[in-house]
Amino acid sequence: SAVISQKPSRDICQRGTSLTIQCQVDSQVTMMFWYRQQPGQSLTLIATANQGSEATYESGFVIDKFPISRPNLTFSTLTVSNMSPEDSSIYLCSVAGTGESVQYFGPGTRLTVT
Amino acid sequence: AQKVTQAQTEISVVEKEDVTLDCVYETRDTTYYLFWYKQPPSGELVFLIRRNSFDEQNEISGRYSWNFQKSTSSFNFTITASQVVDSAVYFCALSEGTYKYIFGTGTRLKVLA
Repeated sequence: SAVISQKPSRDICQRGTSLTIQCQVDSQVTMMFWYRQQPGQSLTLIATANQGSEATYESGFVIDKFPISRPNLTFSTLTVSNMSPEDSSIYLCSVAGTGESVQYFGPGTRLTVT
Repeated sequence: AQKVTQAQTEISVVEKEDVTLDCVYETRDTTYYLFWYKQPPSGELVFLIRRNSFDEQNEISGRYSWNFQKSTSSFNFTITASQVVDSAVYFCALSEGTYKYIFGTGTRLKVLA
């Protein structure tokens, strides 16, 4: 499976600011995804990061709040904009190959908004 | 509608005990995939197993085993002779052939020395 890294691993931010999270994969992958895991909760898919086009967002998530970039097949960023304490979560990226149903997850970014 | 239910919120066992984590799913599709992931305190999700809907054969990997029963829509996970390192949150997930996963709420397993 691919080796996935995320930066930063954790951060404490003030409300109203924005944070960009990076996801780097050691090999080219077809699919990249961003998830949110609120404290003590399960994982919720935010969006699918599409290379060369706009991300596909799930219901309840919008581009203005969670802009996503994917400039190539090994890298993606998720920005959490205008943060509030409710955005405090673990944000995880995951990857999958073409026709491969298994997703492999990065180590996550623990975000605390004060 | 898709749904994954993990009714056990938290389980505590003493080391060397066997423990079974339950997963019940709902889907209208005949083709789907089921998964188990482990999330240790570090936060990373570790892939454990994938099972497709056409393969009901049970699987064993070391101390881990999985029991897939379509008749009861269940995909249960058993850890034999549990160890402290097994302490984690375990998630069951369902995918209906797309890349979208539906995760259960997770079961927190505490293995006490």
